[in-house]
Amino acid sequence: GAVVSQHPSRVICKSGTSVKIECRSLDFQATTMFWYRQFPKQSLMLMATSNEGSKATYEQGVEKDKFLINHASLTLSTLTVTSAHPEDSSFYICSASKGQVGTEAFFGQGTRLTVV
Amino acid sequence: AQKITQTQPGMFVQEKEAVTLDCTYDTSDPSYGLFWYKQPSSGEMIFLIYQGSYDQQNATEGRYSLNFQKARKSANLVISASQLGDSAMYFCAAEGSWGKFQFGAGTQVVVTP
Repeated sequence: GAVVSQHPSRVICKSGTSVKIECRSLDFQATTMFWYRQFPKQSLMLMATSNEGSKATYEQGVEKDKFLINHASLTLSTLTVTSAHPEDSSFYICSASKGQVGTEAFFGQGTRLTVV
Repeated sequence: AQKITQTQPGMFVQEKEAVTLDCTYDTSDPSYGLFWYKQPSSGEMIFLIYQGSYDQQNATEGRYSLNFQKARKSANLVISASQLGDSAMYFCAAEGSWGKFQFGAGTQVVVTP
């Protein structure tokens, strides 16, 4: 099956610094990728849709200047958490679809971010 | 917009028994897809099963089957012959526009020996 790789799997950073998370589709081209955030024991909440070659589309309530998304190629989307604070600590997970209706979304392994 | 409701926050099931996880959905889209994913403690999302809104038959994938009742807008997951490795969080999801998923709150399943 298709593989989506996410890196890093875990990161600890100091408050006020920025962290970049990468999401790569390894064996297919993904013009659209999605970024989700998940708090402990809660569901995945869509943050934004990453569009190759254009601006990301953010869900209501998600600060675009806080969570910078870049989708510079058909296989790579990055999420940068800028000026991270402890409340940004969460599990971030990306997904990509092959673009056919009814096909599964392929998820990265997720990134556990801890801001201290 | 779609809404997914999973009313069971947690369930215990004995090994080798079957368990049904409830999922109801609300959508105005005439055509839609419903998915179930498993998330173990490692965090990865594992695809289990898919049901298209126009599929005439209920989907099955090994020990997983989907009880799709379109009129009731429900898509319950049935896991037969539970195994210890089935202990995980289970999410029901609906696919909106291409690749965009709306997830339910999830059900934590614990399989006991």
